[in-house]
Amino acid sequence: DAKTTQPNSMESNEEEPVHLPCNHSTISGTDYIHWYRQLPSQGPEYVIHGLTSNVNNRMASLAIAEDRKSSTLILHRATLRDAAVYYCILNYGGSQGNLIFGKGTKLSVKP
Amino acid sequence: EAQVTQNPRYLITVTGKKLTVTCSQNMNHEYMSWYRQDPGLGLRQIYYSMNVEVTDKGDVPEGYKVSRKEKRNFPLILESPSPNQTSLYFCASRGAKQETQYFGPGTRLLVL
Repeated sequence: DAKTTQPNSMESNEEEPVHLPCNHSTISGTDYIHWYRQLPSQGPEYVIHGLTSNVNNRMASLAIAEDRKSSTLILHRATLRDAAVYYCILNYGGSQGNLIFGKGTKLSVKP
Repeated sequence: EAQVTQNPRYLITVTGKKLTVTCSQNMNHEYMSWYRQDPGLGLRQIYYSMNVEVTDKGDVPEGYKVSRKEKRNFPLILESPSPNQTSLYFCASRGAKQETQYFGPGTRLLVL
């Protein structure tokens, strides 16, 4: 499986936008880019996913570079409840069952 | 309510005493997985199953067994637990045509 690289930690201020980067230089043409997050003392939860085009949902936006070797998860207005570990994951073909998690980025949000 | 349940949520045991952690999902999902989470190592996949009677090893399968006799259940078996299996365990499931993977609440295991 292709690997992803994320910063270990990031800080943000409440109500400001947050851009969480992810590098995946060995991505293949059929790899989907998934983002999950894990709040303290909880299991991971799905945030967003995409293949080539930018994606928006009620939680976040996903911006995918034109060469697909990197992507950015955008939280438009960070809240204290967004403090979590965010995982960027590649999933072959979008249909395989096994998501391989890395260490993720720990996001801290300051009031 | 769609959910993945795990039991027990907390377990303290001793080395060598066989144990089973159960996982059940009510969404008729084909795919199920087990992960362990350790400080500084993130989530690592132990085993996964793509459907009934179809299982495969993940990144860290040593010391674990699984079975998938029914679609809704995917138990994790530790035949002879050792202290290095002390960890937080998560079960997850996903439909074949869905992108969202649902995780259970976690099972915290301590092996003495």
